[in-house]
Amino acid sequence: DTGVSQDPRHKITKRGQNVTFRCDPISEHNRLYWYRQTLGQGPEFLTYFQNEAQLEKSRLLSDRFSAERPKGSFSTLEIQRTEQGDSAMYLCASRGTSGYNEQFFGPGTRLTVL
Amino acid sequence: AQSVTQLGSHVSVSEGALVLLRCNYSSSVPPYLFWYVQYPNQGLQLLLKYTSAATLVKGINGFEAEFKKSETSFHLTKPSAHMSDAAEYFCAVTPGGSQGNLIFGKGTKLSVKP
Repeated sequence: DTGVSQDPRHKITKRGQNVTFRCDPISEHNRLYWYRQTLGQGPEFLTYFQNEAQLEKSRLLSDRFSAERPKGSFSTLEIQRTEQGDSAMYLCASRGTSGYNEQFFGPGTRLTVL
Repeated sequence: AQSVTQLGSHVSVSEGALVLLRCNYSSSVPPYLFWYVQYPNQGLQLLLKYTSAATLVKGINGFEAEFKKSETSFHLTKPSAHMSDAAEYFCAVTPGGSQGNLIFGKGTKLSVKP
């Protein structure tokens, strides 16, 4: 499978715990995006990388959130001290250098904070 | 600032009937526009994109959309609905030439009755 993959697919955690999600983009794609989707809403942008550089962060990305893409390949999104409001689907997308910003999405990680 | 409005959070059609999902956008520069489909507990799949080449865009699964600058619209249509079309549909915008994030509408859930 050459699509975007995300791990885990589901995560249940207790409030206050830290969680980390992983995204593996399509191998030749140099741009990687993280979005958050809550029930009944469209995806909302969190942050994006070009290679290993984090180029933009949304105001939604509070200081409890951190994202990395250390070697310009896979990326991790960590949430520290989780809150119930963090419960959502976290989506990763990637795109290459050509095209018109068409982004290819992974299956998402569904986070439930109890 | 760019934004997307999808009229109707829920649309219900009979199998074989016309599907029409509405999307209006706001953009200060010529936009690129996209329609994505999301099946339950899955990521988003690109249906079609508008990139200023042709105003009538054909996508996968028999869907098409027409860009109307005067109406700032990009409505999605399909002549004959299938049961398998039942899903949630998202319209998204990005400023032409932008390398950044997509801005999504809130989505329209399509139900198809037998």
